[in-house]
Amino acid sequence: EIVMTQSPATLSVSPGERATLSCRASQGVSSFLAWYQQKPGQAPRLLIYGPSTRATGIPARFSGSGSGTEFTLTISSLQSEDFAVYYCQQYSIWPLTFGGGTTVEIK
Amino acid sequence: EVQLVESGGGLVQPGGSLRLSCAASGFSFSSYGMSWVRQAPGKGLEWVSGIRGSGGNTYYADSVKGRFTISRDNSRNTLYLQMNSLRAEDTAVYYCAKAQAEVGKNWFDPWGQGTLVTVSS
Repeated sequence: EIVMTQSPATLSVSPGERATLSCRASQGVSSFLAWYQQKPGQAPRLLIYGPSTRATGIPARFSGSGSGTEFTLTISSLQSEDFAVYYCQQYSIWPLTFGGGTTVEIK
Repeated sequence: EVQLVESGGGLVQPGGSLRLSCAASGFSFSSYGMSWVRQAPGKGLEWVSGIRGSGGNTYYADSVKGRFTISRDNSRNTLYLQMNSLRAEDTAVYYCAKAQAEVGKNWFDPWGQGTLVTVSS
């Protein structure tokens, strides 16, 4: 099983600032990496896959990068609606696995 | 519009069984793999099981292998998760999620709203 590790667990950011979230895979997953956003009481929402293609309707302030074992999700200028939990997921091999999540909170 | 609607959650005693359903609409159901993903209270996401669009191949997390069975009825556009020998640690919101290709080994979009399973005496 591929273990996905996200850091930091919590990120405190002021509105308008940049947020950088990391995701590391225990073995290479090539480009088979996706990011999701989840708000309290809601289902996760796909943000990015492949790992730099934004899903339909996702604002350009969200960007993804990386390959192999190291990946990054960047939110260029945090808006109030971006404070949430973010998860990465590898889809290189079964079983599919998620990272533990990064909570982006208001500073 | 693609929609996924889960049902079948509830309270069950340890050792009991439950069957979850996920009704799909708005897309060609048999052309896409599907998965179940769960989230224990206050915890992160855990992939549980996946199935190809044809239903011919199924996949499980080690934590549920031998106890849970995923299946689908493509004539009814419905995904199922049969859960047996339930344990307290299976307590979670269970989401069904659509993969982006028949093989099912993809990112997920969209997700259903989830159904809560509580295992407790």
